[in-house]
Amino acid sequence: GENVEQHPSTLSVQEGDSAVIKCTYSDSASNYFPWYKQELGKGPQLIIDIRSNVGEKKDQRIAVTLNKTAKHFSLHITETQPEDSAVYFCAATGGSYIPTFGRGTSLIVHP
Amino acid sequence: KAGVTQTPRYLIKTRGQQVTLSCSPISGHRSVSWYQQTPGQGLQFLFEYFSETQRNKGNFPGRFSGRQFSNSRSEMNVSTLELGDSALYLCASSLEGTSVDEQYFGPGTRLTVT
Repeated sequence: GENVEQHPSTLSVQEGDSAVIKCTYSDSASNYFPWYKQELGKGPQLIIDIRSNVGEKKDQRIAVTLNKTAKHFSLHITETQPEDSAVYFCAATGGSYIPTFGRGTSLIVHP
Repeated sequence: KAGVTQTPRYLIKTRGQQVTLSCSPISGHRSVSWYQQTPGQGLQFLFEYFSETQRNKGNFPGRFSGRQFSNSRSEMNVSTLELGDSALYLCASSLEGTSVDEQYFGPGTRLTVT
């Protein structure tokens, strides 16, 4: 089955810095790659997603890049703010139609 | 538009008991998926229902089951509870399914098994 590795597990940045979280996947049939933000006591919230026919997608301060050849995709957050502090999860869905999630990255943005 | 709702939010059960959790999807969404979230295993897919039929199933024992009603509301049941079933159970809904549509998660049901 699909295996998704996510790094780093913890990321600490200063307000205004950029943050990058990386994920690799194993199933070459995977074609949908969402990113979720989970705040304490809440369910995951979709923040951006990318499909396999696109290499990059941007939404204001958030961007995702996908390298199908290398089987990795990354989340980029620019001009980080304290309210960006949360746990971020990547996921990959492929031929099995079953989403596989990374283990999460705890992002801490220091004011 | 109302989001995904889950009831109850918190639950304490004793080992050996059974439990039923409920999920109401966003209006118009036909797919409901269930996930288990634990510190040790992370977020794991349990199953997906679409138009009252189970479409996909994750790698969980048969003690975990679910169903979906004609109004797309879904329930999941765990029988013969074990201590290891303590987790946050999340429900997510989407228009057409996990592989083609954005999923919207509910706040989860925190289950504690003692």
